[in-house]
Amino acid sequence: DTGVSQDPRHKITKRGQNVTFRCDPISEHNRLYWYRQTLGQGPEFLTYFQNEAQLEKSRLLSDRFSAERPKGSFSTLEIQRTEQGDSAMYLCASSPEGFDHRMNTEAFFGQGTRLTVV
Amino acid sequence: KQEVTQIPAALSVPEGENLVLNCSFTDSAIYNLQWFRQDPGKGLTSLLLIQSSQREQTSGRLNASLDKSSGRSTLYIAASQPGDSATYLCAVSPTTSGTYKYIFGTGTRLKVLA
Repeated sequence: DTGVSQDPRHKITKRGQNVTFRCDPISEHNRLYWYRQTLGQGPEFLTYFQNEAQLEKSRLLSDRFSAERPKGSFSTLEIQRTEQGDSAMYLCASSPEGFDHRMNTEAFFGQGTRLTVV
Repeated sequence: KQEVTQIPAALSVPEGENLVLNCSFTDSAIYNLQWFRQDPGKGLTSLLLIQSSQREQTSGRLNASLDKSSGRSTLYIAASQPGDSATYLCAVSPTTSGTYKYIFGTGTRLKVLA
């Protein structure tokens, strides 16, 4: 296993189009996260999955955004009717469940998908 | 609301210098703190993870310390090299029940001059 994998690495789309990104976490990591990062800023949390259950969603995740993790393995993030403000790097991360299930553990990030909406 | 601040925002040093990057957070109720490195246009690489019960962690030329009560962490880089040039991000994991997200600072952009 070589780490968290994201596809595509880059996506250019016209405003109003739908886009979908894929994330393959590290095997056996049951926690998966999506973050968004704009230029010069730190990553901002979007959503979190524990296995296939989406347990937390940020207010940043508008109705145009939807994320799934149907079998508790890979995840997809879809943006409908893209806007120029959606242009950003979308980062996926995964982490294992610790000995204390309440605790967060070390997060491993993918290389990200750079979205440009023109 | 937890807020994470990193100072300085940018730093330029000659090769060989020892340097310290600072991270502060407003709420001391954290499970852990993680330092990351990010190269331009790339994802994040985990450098060090410090649990809330720990004071410091070391990996090679990197040493991270944590003072949870004062809401501070430092990343010490010894004998800096041009290859260390990158943005360094710190992130905290709050103990708020039901959340496992990390909250990030805006990073310190480091440039090490040959």
